Amino acid sequence: GAGVSQSPSNKVTEKGKDVELRCDPISGHTALYWYRQSLGQGLEFLIYFQGNSAPDKSGLPSDRFSAERTGGSVSTLTIQRTQQEDSAVYLCASSLYSSGNTIYFGEGSWLTVV
Amino acid sequence: DQQVKQNSPSLSVQEGRISILNCDYTNSMFDYFLWYKKYPAEGPTFLISISSIKDKNEDGRFTVFLNKSAKHLSLHIVPSQPGDSAVYFCAASVSQGNLIFGKGTKLSVKP
Repeated sequence: GAGVSQSPSNKVTEKGKDVELRCDPISGHTALYWYRQSLGQGLEFLIYFQGNSAPDKSGLPSDRFSAERTGGSVSTLTIQRTQQEDSAVYLCASSLYSSGNTIYFGEGSWLTVV
Repeated sequence: DQQVKQNSPSLSVQEGRISILNCDYTNSMFDYFLWYKKYPAEGPTFLISISSIKDKNEDGRFTVFLNKSAKHLSLHIVPSQPGDSAVYFCAASVSQGNLIFGKGTKLSVKP
């Protein structure tokens, strides 16, 4: 597709359930980023993939969060045993190269944990 | 510890006047800076960027200024339009690193 595609666009889940959020980056982009924005907060970095390098996981808030990127393209962010504080919009972005190149965001996946 | 700080959570400007959004950073290794605009219920969209080798970059009504010695950058919008009302995020990166965002400034342009 022309832009970064994320699914689902909206997800309501019960506390304690696992969720998977998917990101399909722009074709050919080697760098992929996950951010989240909680209500009234800024953009919080979660994880960053660049090519075949080991991902930068320094932003993941707990070991309930994990992400993988298969075949250097599609990425899945998994949140295990969801908590209410996980409610946020999860934004994926991609870029052609890291640093010095613009990153392009998807529309986000809105997660509500009830 | 916030590496990128936007100390004004909100700014209100009259249509036609200049909007100045400020951003401070702490990491002297940052070499690339960007501004993004975000409307409610949409993903952020790229607005303008500047590399650390420059001190100014202009694109139409938008100009970004970089003061490396002060670790400060600003976004000027002139003339401001009601459609510019959005949340503006400042972001910075180190070569081969991820992009760190500020908390954003909500700009309201009054007709």
